[in-house]
Amino acid sequence: GAGVSQTPSNKVTEKGKYVELRCDPISGHTALYWYRQSLGQGPEFLIYFQGTGAADDSGLPNDRFFAVRPEGSVSTLKIQRTERGDSAVYLCASSLERQETQYFGPGTRLLVL
Amino acid sequence: QKEVEQDPGPLSVPEGAIVSLNCTYSNSAFQYFMWYRQYSRKGPELLMYTYSSGNKEDGRFTAQVDKSSKYISLFIRDSQPSDSATYLCATGRAAGNKLTFGGGTRVLVKP
Repeated sequence: GAGVSQTPSNKVTEKGKYVELRCDPISGHTALYWYRQSLGQGPEFLIYFQGTGAADDSGLPNDRFFAVRPEGSVSTLKIQRTERGDSAVYLCASSLERQETQYFGPGTRLLVL
Repeated sequence: QKEVEQDPGPLSVPEGAIVSLNCTYSNSAFQYFMWYRQYSRKGPELLMYTYSSGNKEDGRFTAQVDKSSKYISLFIRDSQPSDSATYLCATGRAAGNKLTFGGGTRVLVKP
């Protein structure tokens, strides 16, 4: 079946601009996670949704970052006033409720100039 | 100090050799352990997961966990050039919680 999909695959923006990154989880997966991966590093947790609500947003670096999942399926990660340090690969993962195994999408490569 | 430490490599081995990868973790609350493989410019792909101390085998892959020493390993037998990738260890406290990753080890299997 279809895996986790993320759009766009690449995004180039200018410092100070607003960006939205989209994640479409595996059908039937109620849990959705966002991670950020910098070059040469492992993924770092940002936020976790169970259904429509954010169950854990402790990884969001500051209030420029926000994520929503209004219908419990697709999620959007929103970054305001982008900075060059936001450049990274943003990964989305999904899992069945109360299951440990998380399945990752291909990521969105964000470059802030 | 990071909660999960992993040697970044690169680790270069000849085709057919055994690849040995390992991670250490510091938090006793971690209850389950995973290995992901990540090819260049792709998302991580789940290889193995386990809960308990001991070995778990799946084809050419063996995952090993020693909770007493907070040490996890992955062995790849009969390595192939297609195994060339970055290998990420990850740990979690409970189902539905975030994963904490090591920094990844880059592996190169030379034909």
